[in-house]
Amino acid sequence: NAGVTQTPKFRVLKTGQSMTLLCAQDMNHEYMYWYRQDPGMGLRLIHYSVGEGTTAKGEVPDGYNVSRLKKQNFLLGLESAAPSQTSVYFCASSPHLPTGVDTQYFGPGTRLTVL
Amino acid sequence: GDSVTQMEGPVTLSEEAFLTINCTYTATGYPSLFWYVQYPGEGLQLLLKATKADDKGSNKGFEATYRKETTSFHLEKGSVQVSDSAVYFCALSDLGYGQNFVFGPGTRLSVLP
Repeated sequence: NAGVTQTPKFRVLKTGQSMTLLCAQDMNHEYMYWYRQDPGMGLRLIHYSVGEGTTAKGEVPDGYNVSRLKKQNFLLGLESAAPSQTSVYFCASSPHLPTGVDTQYFGPGTRLTVL
Repeated sequence: GDSVTQMEGPVTLSEEAFLTINCTYTATGYPSLFWYVQYPGEGLQLLLKATKADDKGSNKGFEATYRKETTSFHLEKGSVQVSDSAVYFCALSDLGYGQNFVFGPGTRLSVLP
C-alpha cells in the first residue's frame, strides 16, 4: 500500500495564479482532511470530508475550495493565490469506526510558496 | 471549543537523558488522545494513542497515560537517542467536536550526542 500520497511535493506560484493539490489514499478511508502547517502555529484544518461527495469547512477555509468526487481522492484548490497562503500543506485520511474517528494517516506534504 | 496545550519548545537534551513533554486538553466529550511525531521534511506519523481513562499508549520506548482527572497526556521516554530529534504533536479526537482532530502547536526536540 502507498498510504496517503500528495502531488506535487513543491510548487512556486505568483500572486493571483491558481492551482490544485491532489491527495490520494488507497486505504478505503471514509474521512479525508486538508491541513496547513505554519511555523509556530501547528496544524490548522482547512477543509475535510466525511465521505465521497461531501465536504465541510474547517478552521481556516477562506481562499480554498475542495472536492471529493471519488472516495480515494481529495482535491484542494486555490483560485487566486496570495502570499499568505505560503505554507506546507498536509493531507490526511482516517477510517470511521463505530466509536468515532480513529487514527489519522498523513501524506508527505506539499511545500507551496506564493510570490 | 476543544483545545490542546503543549509545553513550549524547543527542548534540547543530551543522549540518554529522560524526556517529558507535557500535554493538557479541554474537550466537550470523551476524547481519544494521540501523540504524533514529525521528522524533518516528512509528514506526521502516529507515535501512540489512548482511547480511555488510565490507558497507557506506548511505542518505540515512548509512553503516555490518559489522565482524565488532570486532563493530561504527557509523553515520556526514559533514554532519548539522537534519532528521536523531531517535532512532537499532542492531539485529540472528540465525537463531541464533529469527529475532527485538534492538534497542539508541537514541541521541537533536539537530542545532542
